[in-house]
Amino acid sequence: AQKITQTQPGMFVQEKEAVTLDCTYDTSDPSYGLFWYKQPSSGEMIFLIYQGSYDQQNATEGRYSLNFQKARKSANLVISASQLGDSAMYFCAMREGLSGNTPLVFGKGTRLSVIA
Amino acid sequence: GAVVSQHPSWVICKSGTSVKIECRSLDFQATTMFWYRQFPKQSLMLMATSNEGSKATYEQGVEKDKFLINHASLTLSTLTVTSAHPEDSSFYICSAKKGSGGYNEQFFGPGTRLTVL
Repeated sequence: AQKITQTQPGMFVQEKEAVTLDCTYDTSDPSYGLFWYKQPSSGEMIFLIYQGSYDQQNATEGRYSLNFQKARKSANLVISASQLGDSAMYFCAMREGLSGNTPLVFGKGTRLSVIA
Repeated sequence: GAVVSQHPSWVICKSGTSVKIECRSLDFQATTMFWYRQFPKQSLMLMATSNEGSKATYEQGVEKDKFLINHASLTLSTLTVTSAHPEDSSFYICSAKKGSGGYNEQFFGPGTRLTVL
């Protein structure tokens, strides 16, 4: 069964606008972490933001914020004030447990294109 | 910060040859490293978990005799693609776990693009 679902293969956004990338997850483990990564055409995985299952507040990192709705098992990424350099693939990922010894499971990704 | 390197960054080889990819944690010790494979326009798929000093744990469907993983030291894990074929052409990415606790202990290498002719 898919543990991470990203339903948007591609998204377009106007420069300076905000965009939301969807992510839902499935786990029975009460302890887990949710991650968002950006992958530009160079291929490197760039860590953007993290949300722990016990975190009370939504995570924010600069222009990135994570809309964490635990009951719905969703962890959408919001990018505010989009920039041309934000054009890339974005992956949502989950790690079950909090020790870091388990690998990340990735969604299929969303390709974001920022239009001038 | 925590830096993970991979070598080579890209490699082209003939069908039937073996290719070794190195993953190094440059400024920390990594007891656990993960190897992922990414086909074009697809997501990262976990191949195996590599623990220093012990045998790697392979994901279902990944041939352990074809993808040899050696984690001989706390800073180096290698992935050898034996008798490579065109279908093995892919982007291989490693990640390394740093320390214990904390949330962002896994750091990714820049990836190795393998093309088998």
